[in-house]
Amino acid sequence: NAGVMQNPRHLVRRRGQEARLRCSPMKGHSHVYWYRQLPEEGLKFMVYLQKENIIDESGMPKERFSAEFPKEGPSILRIQQVVRGDSAAYFCASSPRGSTDTQYFGPGTRLTVL
Amino acid sequence: GESVGLHLPTLSVQEGDNSIINCAYSNSASDYFIWYKQESGKGPQFIIDIRSNMDKRQGQRVTVLLNKTVKHLSLQIAATQPGDSAVYFCAEKESGNTGKLIFGQGTTLQVKP
Repeated sequence: NAGVMQNPRHLVRRRGQEARLRCSPMKGHSHVYWYRQLPEEGLKFMVYLQKENIIDESGMPKERFSAEFPKEGPSILRIQQVVRGDSAAYFCASSPRGSTDTQYFGPGTRLTVL
Repeated sequence: GESVGLHLPTLSVQEGDNSIINCAYSNSASDYFIWYKQESGKGPQFIIDIRSNMDKRQGQRVTVLLNKTVKHLSLQIAATQPGDSAVYFCAEKESGNTGKLIFGQGTTLQVKP
């Protein structure tokens, strides 16, 4: 049983470009969480999604960031018009039933904005 | 506001010794706590969890202690090995519906041979 998959593992973008980060949850998991980790810091919650629904986006910046988890396919975290401050590691986690379950993390996508 | 913090940024121990990593939390309403291990370049790996109706929980070579009176959490690793070298995070699960995790800053554990 494969774990949480994320791709790409490393992503380099120039300022103003768009970044798309993908997350495939563990088999049987329908709940996905996205977190951001700045260097030397802990992870910060961004957004929680179930299939086709955003449940909690209280940690998402109001502009340029969006997330989706379609009925088919991976969850996508999209950052438009990236700036240097977006450089970070982005992790997704999945759980089978949501708030009462352990979250299992993927390996992360390391975004570098030049 | 809610916060989860760790007492020391770096802990250095001799191989074979026991390690204790501490964590303080501020939200007395939190009811679930998790310890994660993060190796360089990897995602957080679940180690052990504990619910607020428990004081202690043991796993393989690891023990988590919860003191609700002083809002303190600790992770004990027995017979520390070089493979235990990593950053350790405590996380608090927010009471409510979403289950989002609130992470502390992390403690780096260095194991000396």
